[in-house]
Amino acid sequence: KNEVEQSPQNLTAQEGEFITINCSYSVGISALHWLQQHPGGGIVSLFMLSSGKKKHGRLIATINIQEKHSSLHITASHPRDSAVYICAASIIQGAQKLVFGQGTRLTINP
Amino acid sequence: GAVVSQHPSWVICKSGTSVKIECRSLDFQATTMFWYRQFPKQSLMLMATSNEGSKATYEQGVEKDKFLINHASLTLSTLTVTSAHPEDSSFYICSATSGTGQPQHFGDGTRLSIL
Repeated sequence: KNEVEQSPQNLTAQEGEFITINCSYSVGISALHWLQQHPGGGIVSLFMLSSGKKKHGRLIATINIQEKHSSLHITASHPRDSAVYICAASIIQGAQKLVFGQGTRLTINP
Repeated sequence: GAVVSQHPSWVICKSGTSVKIECRSLDFQATTMFWYRQFPKQSLMLMATSNEGSKATYEQGVEKDKFLINHASLTLSTLTVTSAHPEDSSFYICSATSGTGQPQHFGDGTRLSIL
């Protein structure tokens, strides 16, 4: 079993739909990251969370430390949101290394 | 926001050639840089962790003589793929952080194709 598990692996939705991507982890973490990777390969860091909730535009990330679970939500989804979303954990005493989930490939159709 | 520049973005070369990839932090001092490799439709695999002024720490299974990493300054790390072969063809991406508890900022990656 991977230390960081994401679901779903693939998600296709219509423009405007509310999107949720889930991430569960089984190790002690100092922070949880949500990353976005576009088809060209470049990666953008969306959020870094250690507790609670963060919001940036139409994106919301939450984390429940007790349940070892985080979610990424996209409101009013748009085709330009189509990308791979990756959950990554900074492990306590992991020398800042990230452990990555498998990624969720999101496709938003117009 | 913090910017990490990776160069080149794409390189094609013959088998046996050595290829150098640069990773620069443009607006912050990167005490630690990471080098990753990604195969198609797979997640990133950490190759090595590079701290400024010291030797890189390689992950298990990564040949240090094959993938030479230099982090000579707080804004630049380089990965050299020595005597590259077709099986080294992959997407290589770096990230940089200014310290513990700080986010990692990623470069745009380098797509390496060895003929």
